[in-house]
Amino acid sequence: DTEVTQTPKHLVMGMTNKKSLKCEQHMGHRAMYWYKQKAKKPPELMFVYSYEKLSINESVPSRFSPECPNSSLLNLHLHALQPEDSALYLCASSRTPGLAEETQYFGPGTRLLVL
Amino acid sequence: KQEVTQIPAALSVPEGENLVLNCSFTDSAIYNLQWFRQDPGKGLTSLLLIQSSQREQTSGRLNASLDKSSGRSTLYIAASQPGDSATYLCAVKGELTDSWGKFQFGAGTQVVVTP
Repeated sequence: DTEVTQTPKHLVMGMTNKKSLKCEQHMGHRAMYWYKQKAKKPPELMFVYSYEKLSINESVPSRFSPECPNSSLLNLHLHALQPEDSALYLCASSRTPGLAEETQYFGPGTRLLVL
Repeated sequence: KQEVTQIPAALSVPEGENLVLNCSFTDSAIYNLQWFRQDPGKGLTSLLLIQSSQREQTSGRLNASLDKSSGRSTLYIAASQPGDSATYLCAVKGELTDSWGKFQFGAGTQVVVTP
């Protein structure tokens, strides 16, 4: 199984809502990542869990909150988002962080629209 | 800070022609460079990964070269097909121990192959 799954595929939410994005992999990977991608732009790294230790891109606002319940599961909790947060949110995983042959495997993404 | 540039931003070729996509990076202290394909609104699919000690990698019609000293990588796609139409992104993994040195993406080259 070389698949990273993400749910939901699409999400529409108001600025006062609380929602969560979910990502799962069963490849035994020890690093998982959240990226944000705006249209026609490259993905921007938001958070990394490496051996379940969190690293944060300090430019990411606190209305985004990651959670890693176990090494296979990654959540992104959303609260009080703004319309400019509308984007494609991508999850990725890699086997052993820090190795030169490390490949990232991406999920299909969640398309988020904030009204 | 690592900067990754992809030129051209867009490319249109007739079916059967060879594709040449360029990626340049400013800091040669890298672990590896990876080429991805992204279809509209979808996640990223890894195509090839070249470790910093390697000069090239091949997979089917795809060949990627790496010249670390000059900060360049080229992706060649032989005998292009309409199914090759997508955006191609390169990503560089830095040697920094800081996790934000990990993967830096270029903005991508949007490719259209016309029948």
